[in-house]
Amino acid sequence: DTAVSQTPKYLVTQMGNDKSIKCEQNLGHDTMYWYKQDSKKFLKIMFSYNNKELIINETVPNRFSPKSPDKAHLNLHINSLELGDSAVYFCASSAAGVGDYGYTFGSGTRLTVV
Amino acid sequence: DQQVKQNSPSLSVQEGRISILNCDYTNSMFDYFLWYKKYPAEGPTFLISISSIKDKNEDGRFTVFLNKSAKHLSLHIVPSQPGDSAVYFCAARSKGGADGLTFGKGTHLIIQP
Repeated sequence: DTAVSQTPKYLVTQMGNDKSIKCEQNLGHDTMYWYKQDSKKFLKIMFSYNNKELIINETVPNRFSPKSPDKAHLNLHINSLELGDSAVYFCASSAAGVGDYGYTFGSGTRLTVV
Repeated sequence: DQQVKQNSPSLSVQEGRISILNCDYTNSMFDYFLWYKKYPAEGPTFLISISSIKDKNEDGRFTVFLNKSAKHLSLHIVPSQPGDSAVYFCAARSKGGADGLTFGKGTHLIIQP
């Protein structure tokens, strides 16, 4: 039973389109995150969100927006896609006070903008 | 500016020997350090962690050492097994944890038979 699931696994789209990536966790965690792994393999945080607070990495363009319908879901919506948005996007979740176990990650969504 | 650095992109080790993966950091506000393992087409999975108040944590074949004065940590895997072949990410958390985890670029460990 998948703990953190993302859909779709692969997404190919044209420049200028708007797309969403969905994320769901069944761990009962309080906080969810989106990370981007770029071509240089860095994993960089984009957002962290719980039911109280959204923290945005200041380097993330405002074309990216997280949307959380409930505690178990954090979707990533991207407007006006650009070539540079091509990357692997990982969703993750953690319990409050992450402590010893860090985050649980999804398997990633490979986004290719053409 | 990289706050967490893994200077070895890859490491090749013979099966049964010790694998040592290194990580350096620059931010003195980090209070927790974690190692993640990643297979191709999968998300990173948690391996082992260490609090900044400790200098060693051991879990089976995996041991993490922390040298705060040098701002350096290392992951030891002994004995190395073929299934250990993966990319290993070092990560760090700031006090409070609100900023999420900061990751290094990863080291690709290859275990040779």
